[in-house]
Amino acid sequence: KAGVTQTPRYLIKTRGQQVTLSCSPISGHRSVSWYQQTPGQGLQFLFEYFSETQRNKGNFPGRFSGRQFSNSRSEMNVSTLELGDSALYLCASSLGESGEKLFFGSGTQLSVL
Amino acid sequence: GDSVTQMEGPVTLSEEAFLTINCTYTATGYPSLFWYVQYPGEGLQLLLKATKADDKGSNKGFEATYRKETTSFHLEKGSVQVSDSAVYFCALSDRPFSGGYNKLIFGAGTRLAVHP
Repeated sequence: KAGVTQTPRYLIKTRGQQVTLSCSPISGHRSVSWYQQTPGQGLQFLFEYFSETQRNKGNFPGRFSGRQFSNSRSEMNVSTLELGDSALYLCASSLGESGEKLFFGSGTQLSVL
Repeated sequence: GDSVTQMEGPVTLSEEAFLTINCTYTATGYPSLFWYVQYPGEGLQLLLKATKADDKGSNKGFEATYRKETTSFHLEKGSVQVSDSAVYFCALSDRPFSGGYNKLIFGAGTRLAVHP
């Protein structure tokens, strides 16, 4: 069974640009959640999608958005990039039940210059 | 709000030494508790979990017991190996009636380095 796939693996952008990251969950998983990992703030929850609906949202500005498609693949978008958005963005998939195991991808390393 | 506090690293041990990484939590509901591990250049992998008080999670020689009275979930291993070198994250996930679903709240992570 293929794992969670995130693309691209690395991304370099400049301030003010926007970026789209992609996540393909494990086959059969309907929940996709996104996390931001930085040395200063650690791992922080961005949002979770289940069956194309956002089910939960963290405390991030509106510049961070996401969506989920009918095949459960998900994208997250960050507009008007700031230097502080530089981070490893991790995607995780699961069947969608609370408290269950999450399967994480290897992440997309975003650098904002 | 809910939070997780774990001991700061790095923790440096010799091979075959005993490992303890402390983790305490604050939660208003009835959380599930997890330990995830992150190897260099990789995403997180679930190491073990416990869903209710007094449950013991175990995997690959690692153990942790859900202690509601002390709000703790300390990670232990009797004999560490060089291959255990990684960053370990304690996390909690709140229950459905609190709207938690799969929102994990992580501790800051503890880096473990094991030397031969």
